[in-house]
Amino acid sequence: QSVLTQPPSVSGAPGQRVTISCTGSSSNIGAGYDVHWYQQLSGTAPKLLICGNSNRPSGVPDRFSGSKSGTSASLAITGLQAEDEADYYCQSYDTSLSAYVFGAGTTVTVL
Amino acid sequence: QLQLQESGPGLVKPSETLSLGCTVSGGAISGSSFYWGWIRQPPGKALEYIGAIYESGSAYYNPSLKSRVTISVDTSKNQFFLKLNSVTAADTAVYYCARLSASGSGRRWFDPWGQGILVTVSS
Repeated sequence: QSVLTQPPSVSGAPGQRVTISCTGSSSNIGAGYDVHWYQQLSGTAPKLLICGNSNRPSGVPDRFSGSKSGTSASLAITGLQAEDEADYYCQSYDTSLSAYVFGAGTTVTVL
Repeated sequence: QLQLQESGPGLVKPSETLSLGCTVSGGAISGSSFYWGWIRQPPGKALEYIGAIYESGSAYYNPSLKSRVTISVDTSKNQFFLKLNSVTAADTAVYYCARLSASGSGRRWFDPWGQGILVTVSS
């Protein structure tokens, strides 16, 4: 069981806005450690989507945005497109485990 | 453009040692001041951090795997390696190598990633 909790799935129609939550605890997100997000298209390696809670690497569309508050973080996708169908993972560091940790992943479906 | 590529056997017998390499191209491990890491993903499951190594050879492991894992680096070949001993079916996964960002400890992210290699543990 992951120490970072994500909803198993979210869905939305093209053009809509969806959000994915990532809930941690006082030993990871709540301790001030950054949250990063990855997109994994079917059969491919994860790709960095958001780093340092809210920063988009070069080439990532501005439809993707990240935020963090307290012991949680969120990834928002606005103007949902068919190509956004993928699994999304949050990642942080856990001081109790002394390890980088990932959420269990959220599958985004475009209706 | 930095690229990473995993290599190694796709099939390992139970109780034996899984050995993988990661070749880095488009940049040198030596002098990079980056950590280089391994992550795995069992079929249909989530990502799991295995460990990481600095160019000096200092390695850090996920405590859940520490007793069975060794990560090493060969800067002359621009490669780093993963060894996981006493494997079982539960170690069947896609294994990825990746570079960790140069941020402060505990703030690092993984980018870029290799394409991954499926390792199946079976007799």
